Amino acid sequence: KAGVTQTPRYLIKTRGQQVTLSCSPISGHRSVSWYQQTPGQGLQFLFEYFSETQRNKGNFPGRFSGRQFSNSRSEMNVSTLELGDSALYLCASSSGAGLAYNEQFFGPGTRLTVL
Amino acid sequence: DAKTTQPNSMESNEEEPVHLPCNHSTISGTDYIHWYRQLPSQGPEYVIHGLTSNVNNRMASLAIAEDRKSSTLILHRATLRDAAVYYCILRDGETGANNLFFGTGTRLTVIP
Repeated sequence: KAGVTQTPRYLIKTRGQQVTLSCSPISGHRSVSWYQQTPGQGLQFLFEYFSETQRNKGNFPGRFSGRQFSNSRSEMNVSTLELGDSALYLCASSSGAGLAYNEQFFGPGTRLTVL
Repeated sequence: DAKTTQPNSMESNEEEPVHLPCNHSTISGTDYIHWYRQLPSQGPEYVIHGLTSNVNNRMASLAIAEDRKSSTLILHRATLRDAAVYYCILRDGETGANNLFFGTGTRLTVIP
């Protein structure tokens, strides 16, 4: 079974631009969660999508948004990039059954650098 | 979100057991205790989880205190590949929400 894939793996943008990151979950998984990892703040939850609906949302500004398609693939978008958005963006998939013992499977992440 | 407290770092000699502690004094009765680890340059990976009883799997063991206010992840024989940041996370058993709160974790160094 293929794991979680994220594209692109590396990205360089400039302030003010917008960016879209993509995540393909493990086949059969319906939940996709997004996290931001920075040296200062650690791993922080952005949002979760399940069956094309946002199910949970973290404490991030509205510049961060996402969506999920009918095949469970997900994209996240960051508009008006700021220097502080430089981070590793991780995607995780799970079956999404809403069971607290379900494990999440993480992708390798997309390294975003904002200049 | 119920929070956890872990030591910032620990060291272990290769081939020896490692006990990684986690305090979660505000745990609710329905919270599951999960452990994830993040190897260098990789995304986190699931290690083990438990609710009340001690648990074993091929990677590790999880010992849960009787009052559930603390737990310990046990790696029976540390290898160099076990060098990672280990995160102890509580997951709400009522909602099963996937919004994991990672905290700062424990950085484990394995000495050859």
